[in-house]
Amino acid sequence: EIVMTQSPATLSVSPGESATLSCRASQSVSFSLAWYQQKPGQAPRLLIYGASTRATGIPARFSGSGSGTEFTLTISSLQSEDFAVYYCQQYNNRQTFGQGTKVEIK
Amino acid sequence: QVQLVQSGAEVKKPGASVKVSCKASGYTFTAYYIHWVRQAPGQGLEWMGWINTHTGDTNYAQEFQGRVTMTRDTSINSAYMELSRLSSDDTAMYFCARAGEGFTFGYFDYWGQGTLVTVSS
Repeated sequence: EIVMTQSPATLSVSPGESATLSCRASQSVSFSLAWYQQKPGQAPRLLIYGASTRATGIPARFSGSGSGTEFTLTISSLQSEDFAVYYCQQYNNRQTFGQGTKVEIK
Repeated sequence: QVQLVQSGAEVKKPGASVKVSCKASGYTFTAYYIHWVRQAPGQGLEWMGWINTHTGDTNYAQEFQGRVTMTRDTSINSAYMELSRLSSDDTAMYFCARAGEGFTFGYFDYWGQGTLVTVSS
């Protein structure tokens, strides 16, 4: 099973600043990497797939990059609605989720 | 618009079974796989398995083999997840999710709202 490791576990950011979240795979997943946002009491929401393609309706301040084993989600100019938990998921070999990164208000 | 609407919350006793439904609308039901993912309180996302809504074929995570059954009814565009021999460790929110077009395993572009299953004596 491919293990996905996200860092940091918690990221404290002030509104208007940018946030950089990392996701590492235990073996190469090529570009088969997705990012999700989850707010309390809600289902996850797809942000990015194919490592860098924004899903329908996702604002341009969300961007994804990386390939192989190292991936990054960048949120530029954080808005109040962006404070949430973010998960990465690989789907190159079956599928597995990371443990999540909580983005909280500093 | 694409929607996945799940059945309501359930409270079950240890040893019982639960069956959660997921009704799809807004797209061709049999063209996309449905996956089930659960989330224990305060925890991360745990994949349970998928069903090929066209053929009925299934694939389950090893942790749930022998305890989970996924089915579908194409006449009403619905998928089902039944989990048996429940214990307190199965208390969680259960989500259905649609895999992206053309994917068996893939990213999940639409999610149900979740069904809370509570296991308590």
